[in-house]
Amino acid sequence: DGGITQSPKYLFRKEGQNVTLSCEQNLNHDAMYWYRQDPGQGLRLIYYSQIVNDFQKGDIAEGYSVSREKKESFPLTVTSAQKNPTAFYLCASSPWQGAKDGYTFGSGTRLTVV
Amino acid sequence: QKEVEQNSGPLSVPEGAIASLNCTYSDRGSQSFFWYRQYSGKSPELIMFIYSNGDKEDGRFTAQLNKASQYVSLLIRDSQPSDSATYLCAVVKGNQFYFGTGTSLTVIP
Repeated sequence: DGGITQSPKYLFRKEGQNVTLSCEQNLNHDAMYWYRQDPGQGLRLIYYSQIVNDFQKGDIAEGYSVSREKKESFPLTVTSAQKNPTAFYLCASSPWQGAKDGYTFGSGTRLTVV
Repeated sequence: QKEVEQNSGPLSVPEGAIASLNCTYSDRGSQSFFWYRQYSGKSPELIMFIYSNGDKEDGRFTAQLNKASQYVSLLIRDSQPSDSATYLCAVVKGNQFYFGTGTSLTVIP
C-alpha cells in the first residue's frame, strides 16, 4: 500500500543533542512537508520541498534542518539550537505543492526533551 | 490576521444530532478548501475537499462553501461517538496550505 512512513513514533532527546526524524513516502509525490503541532496552536510549517535537492523554510524553521537527496525521503533534524522541541511532528506529501488533492500525512513522531 | 480562523470549541452534540463546524478565511484569492479529522494523538486524515460555491455531500458529511462571505462549513449528520475528534479546516492560496487551529467535537452517547 502507498503511504508515508514516519519513524520513530516516540523520540526522547537530551538537552544539547541533535536528533533526526525520518519520513519516507512511496506515493511518487514531488512535494513533501514538515509540520509541528503544539496543543491549541494547530499545524505550523517548518520546511517544505518541491523537488529533490531543493527545500524552503516555512514559518518556524529556526533550530531545524532538512535534506532532500531522494524523492522518497525528507528527514528532519532537530538541532540543539531549537530550545523548545517538545511537540508532535507531522510529515506530509502531495503530488505537487498546492495540489488540489490535499495532503497525505504520516502517523507522526512525538518528540520529548528529557 | 490569520489566514484561517476556527472556533476552538469544544462543541458538544448528542448522538444522532447534526454537528456544524465553521471556518472563515481571510483571502478572497483562496482556491481550495479542505476538512481534516484528527483523533487525539493521531495524524490528520482528509474527510472532504470543496472548490466551488455550494454544497458537497459525502455520506453523512456535507461541506458548504460561500466565497462571497469567505466561510466554509462542515455538517455531520447523525453524529456518532466515533465522530468525536478535532476537525481542522485548511485553505490553499497560491501554492501554500494554511491550517486552522481546529475545533474539538464531542458526541455524547
